[in-house]
Amino acid sequence: SQQGEEDPQALSIQEGENATMNCSYKTSINNLQWYRQNSGRGLVHLILIRSNEREKHSGRLRVTLDTSKKSSSLLITASRAADTASYFCATALNTDKLIFGTGTRLQVFP
Amino acid sequence: ETGVTQSPTHLIKTRGQQVTLRCSSQSGHNTVSWYQQALGQGPQFIFQYYREEENGRGNFPPRFSGLQFPNYSSELNVNALELDDSALYLCASSLASGLGTGELFFGEGSRLTVL
Repeated sequence: SQQGEEDPQALSIQEGENATMNCSYKTSINNLQWYRQNSGRGLVHLILIRSNEREKHSGRLRVTLDTSKKSSSLLITASRAADTASYFCATALNTDKLIFGTGTRLQVFP
Repeated sequence: ETGVTQSPTHLIKTRGQQVTLRCSSQSGHNTVSWYQQALGQGPQFIFQYYREEENGRGNFPPRFSGLQFPNYSSELNVNALELDDSALYLCASSLASGLGTGELFFGEGSRLTVL
């Protein structure tokens, strides 16, 4: 079973726009991570935020975490066509056993 | 480039057969996790191996089994294949809890089709 769900399931935007994806989860966590997956390929780690952190930045990525609402959001600023992919949040009860959400499919049009 | 390789990349089996999928972890990583990803779904945790011992299992039946070897290689074995086993199988390596960043390094996956 999935730990959480991403919202929206699919998102289409133009290059240069910002993309926001949300993740909700069900249980207490040690950390929450975001991964990216190009079509049918392996997942690539984007960013990790620990349960005692509220916001984290990495390049064009901004992640927030609200443990009281059991939710997180991933913001990609100034999107590019190359950002087209599926994005998954994953939560860890301990550091290495990750449980993934259902994913958001992002399409960025040139 | 994650340093994790999987083989084969694609394979086709028939119902009832057995399959072995292989993974070579990133050097120095003592933990390997296996995930099943059905089309359009998120990866589902199958199990994890730490220092050659199973270290946690998801909601998968015993016909899914694994092995981890000292040379950073590992295997996922599935017996009595069913049509619903058709999926992308992903291997991910990491350092054990408390020793690493918590980040998983994924291979490109093995796509299994069961006819």
